[in-house]
Amino acid sequence: QKEVEQDPGPLSVPEGAIVSLNCTYSNSAFQYFMWYRQYSRKGPELLMYTYSSGNKEDGRFTAQVDKSSKYISLFIRDSQPSDSATYLCAMSAGQAGTALIFGKGTTLSVSS
Amino acid sequence: NAGVTQTPKFQVLKTGQSMTLQCAQDMNHNSMYWYRQDPGMGLRLIYYSASEGTTDKGEVPNGYNVSRLNKREFSLRLESAAPSQTSVYFCATVPGHSMNTEAFFGQGTRLTVV
Repeated sequence: QKEVEQDPGPLSVPEGAIVSLNCTYSNSAFQYFMWYRQYSRKGPELLMYTYSSGNKEDGRFTAQVDKSSKYISLFIRDSQPSDSATYLCAMSAGQAGTALIFGKGTTLSVSS
Repeated sequence: NAGVTQTPKFQVLKTGQSMTLQCAQDMNHNSMYWYRQDPGMGLRLIYYSASEGTTDKGEVPNGYNVSRLNKREFSLRLESAAPSQTSVYFCATVPGHSMNTEAFFGQGTRLTVV
């Protein structure tokens, strides 16, 4: 079992839809949870950052972390064509010298 | 500010050839990382450098070597390229000594080995 599992999709939704993206993980030491967005032929960019459990909201985006279930989610409300991208979950235990472990990424397409 | 700059952006190599991928950052960050991204595989860590003068292996280090030349630069070398190394390579940096804050990525190097 890989440390981080993410359904690669692809996921296609109409404009205005609510999108739910999810990842599961196996390493209970993970404390830092992130979502990166990657447009085609570009490098990933940080979208949401959460430390430990709980919810975080930023505009149309909400990130949730449930450490008891080892499950994280990203919700996109009122999705826009500009949200079409690959979304990568990433997590880290945070100790010195550790790196981010990424999920495979979910490709999202929002049609107008 | 340029942020994280990778060179070259594209490269085609023949099997057995060698090359060095360059990464430079102007953000005064301590840690630097090399990832490769393959379809259906996500981003996988090749090597990283948590501080100037140190390097460590990641998940997929075989066939690669790295050099942390100074605080700004972290290079990735393929000594004898193989078709399995066809991938998109990303360099990333973080301010501290671990990836518990935002990581900044370069634009990637698209490498094809024929």
